[in-house]
Amino acid sequence: GAGVSQSPSNKVTEKGKDVELRCDPISGHTALYWYRQSLGQGLEFLIYFQGNSAPDKSGLPSDRFSAERTGGSVSTLTIQRTQQEDSAVYLCASSFSRTGAYEQYFGPGTRLTVT
Amino acid sequence: AQSVSQHNHHVILSEAASLELGCNYSYGGTVNLFWYVQYPGQHLQLLLKYFSGDPLVKGIKGFEAEFIKSKFSFNLRKPSVQWSDTAEYFCAVWGTGGFKTIFGAGTRLFVKA
Repeated sequence: GAGVSQSPSNKVTEKGKDVELRCDPISGHTALYWYRQSLGQGLEFLIYFQGNSAPDKSGLPSDRFSAERTGGSVSTLTIQRTQQEDSAVYLCASSFSRTGAYEQYFGPGTRLTVT
Repeated sequence: AQSVSQHNHHVILSEAASLELGCNYSYGGTVNLFWYVQYPGQHLQLLLKYFSGDPLVKGIKGFEAEFIKSKFSFNLRKPSVQWSDTAEYFCAVWGTGGFKTIFGAGTRLFVKA
């Protein structure tokens, strides 16, 4: 079956512009995660959606970052007024477990470059 | 709060050498443990996992990991690495009572042919 998909695969934007990154999880997966992967920084947790419960936003680095998940499926990560330090690969993952107890399936990522 | 520590950020080995990547976590309760791998140009994928039972788990491509509860460790091992094992490896932990999996910082492995 289809895996996790993300779009766009690459995004170049000017400093100060807003960007939207999209994630389509595996059908039926209730949990959805966003991570940021910077060179040498490992995997940084951003936000976690768990079914119909309130999302865990504890990893969002600033109020310029927000995310929503519509209808329990597709998710959009929005970065407002982008800064150069936002340049990174943004990864989405989904899991059929609401609690995160089971493995996550990752998408290919969106490489964001802020010039 | 839970945390995961991977001791080596960069490892360079020659082919046929043995590999052990360290992973320690801080959480006193029951845990599920994972190793993920990211090959160059590919997305993260599960290498192996431990939920319960035999603490020595085997994954794909000849990798194995041992859960030592008393040491809060879940080290990844492979007896003989290949050039194709060049990748970044992430240890991850989920603890009962927690609602998200915590990832380590990753270890970049480079295997010289």
